[in-house]
Amino acid sequence: EDKVVQSPLSLVVHEGDTVTLNCSYEVTNFRSLLWYKQEKKAPTFLFMLTSSGIEKKSGRLSSILDKKELFSILNITATQTGDSAIYLCAGFPMRFGAGTRLTVKP
Amino acid sequence: DVKVTQSSRYLVKRTGEKVFLECVQDMDHENMFWYRQDPGLGLRLIYFSYDVKMKEKGDIPEGYSVSREKKERFSLILESASTNQTSMYLCASTPPRTGTGYTFGSGTRLTVV
Repeated sequence: EDKVVQSPLSLVVHEGDTVTLNCSYEVTNFRSLLWYKQEKKAPTFLFMLTSSGIEKKSGRLSSILDKKELFSILNITATQTGDSAIYLCAGFPMRFGAGTRLTVKP
Repeated sequence: DVKVTQSSRYLVKRTGEKVFLECVQDMDHENMFWYRQDPGLGLRLIYFSYDVKMKEKGDIPEGYSVSREKKERFSLILESASTNQTSMYLCASTPPRTGTGYTFGSGTRLTVV
């Protein structure tokens, strides 16, 4: 059975901290691993990872995929209150994890 | 930019009512999906469609049906709404081979009373 498991489910940090969010997956016909950020509305796209070991970066966010061990991590450095959101991981096609709710306190 | 439009942002329906949730995308995408999102459970796949008139069950199809008569429109139908179908419903679409995964609609928050 396909599944995507994220950990932790919830995380509270202070501004300036660095966080690592985890995602493990078992997805039939796996094509890519996606990360999304969801605030109050629909999820917004962060990263798509298809190759192992190649880090993708966007500002303070970065992500990497390990296709051998079937997991990915999302790192956020120097966190800000605006990073507070639910972070969703998805094995494409179609399977999402439950999400990690990140709260960044001032 | 691709747009995925869900017809209602908020809906309140009574138990037993038939409910239609509409989703329209404007970029000729083949694949369309319906998810529901509940706290702690993430996005769970209800139904998806790879082409017009094609539909496949996802992980939680019970109590739902779908219709895809035109490529741009994918409708989710709650045959007889129940309180346990109170949820956020998200529609998404993708082309067959994509570089950015899903494009989501803004979601419909359905409350069944």
